[in-house]
Amino acid sequence: EEQLVQSGAEVKKPGESLKISCKGSRYRFTSYWIAWVRQKPGEGLEWMGIIYPGDSDTRYSPSFQGHVTLSVDKFTSTAYLQWSSLKASDTAMYYCASLNSTRAFGNWGQGTLVTVSS
Amino acid sequence: QSALTQPASVSGSPGQSITISCTGTSSDVGGYNYVSWYQQHPGKAPKLMIYEVSNRPSGVSNRFSGSKSGNTASLTISGLQAEDEADYYCSSYTSSTFYVFGTGTKVTVL
Repeated sequence: EEQLVQSGAEVKKPGESLKISCKGSRYRFTSYWIAWVRQKPGEGLEWMGIIYPGDSDTRYSPSFQGHVTLSVDKFTSTAYLQWSSLKASDTAMYYCASLNSTRAFGNWGQGTLVTVSS
Repeated sequence: QSALTQPASVSGSPGQSITISCTGTSSDVGGYNYVSWYQQHPGKAPKLMIYEVSNRPSGVSNRFSGSKSGNTASLTISGLQAEDEADYYCSSYTSSTFYVFGTGTKVTVL
């Protein structure tokens, strides 16, 4: 069964940078888009953007364009989500998920909790 | 792109059926058959329950079914069980921003 494993929880200060990861295994990583989804404490799911590992084609939600950067290393089957300058409002759980051929988020990582506090 | 609209909460007794609606526009739910539904238990990652409006992934109970009429999609849970108590989110492909999620619905089993 395909698997997405995310990096561990992070505690950062405002203004710091951060890069979290999502490693795929047991499937052809380069063939399926990877999406990133934010969930703030007690709130709903927000689609942030998607990246195609085969050629790094990337699409961002307008709400997140310019605030985060998606990247991928197809040789290690790892996708990344990064911030150059974190804000307290970035505190949230972040999930990666694979987008299958039916345009549904079929497989999810376990989530990475990011806490930004001074 | 605004989130798709779902009721904040829906409840039912064990064995009953409940339906969760997901209302969008002709640019998302109404324009494509790429509506999916996700179940999320507290502290857990979401799980795909329905894709392409009405299809169930392997392993998902046939008590879960999906449908769509115009700009509104629906998820029906029949024979409600205690384990169905969770948050449910719809999602749709959209012509403007690629994807959008619903506002989420908390299902309570009385």
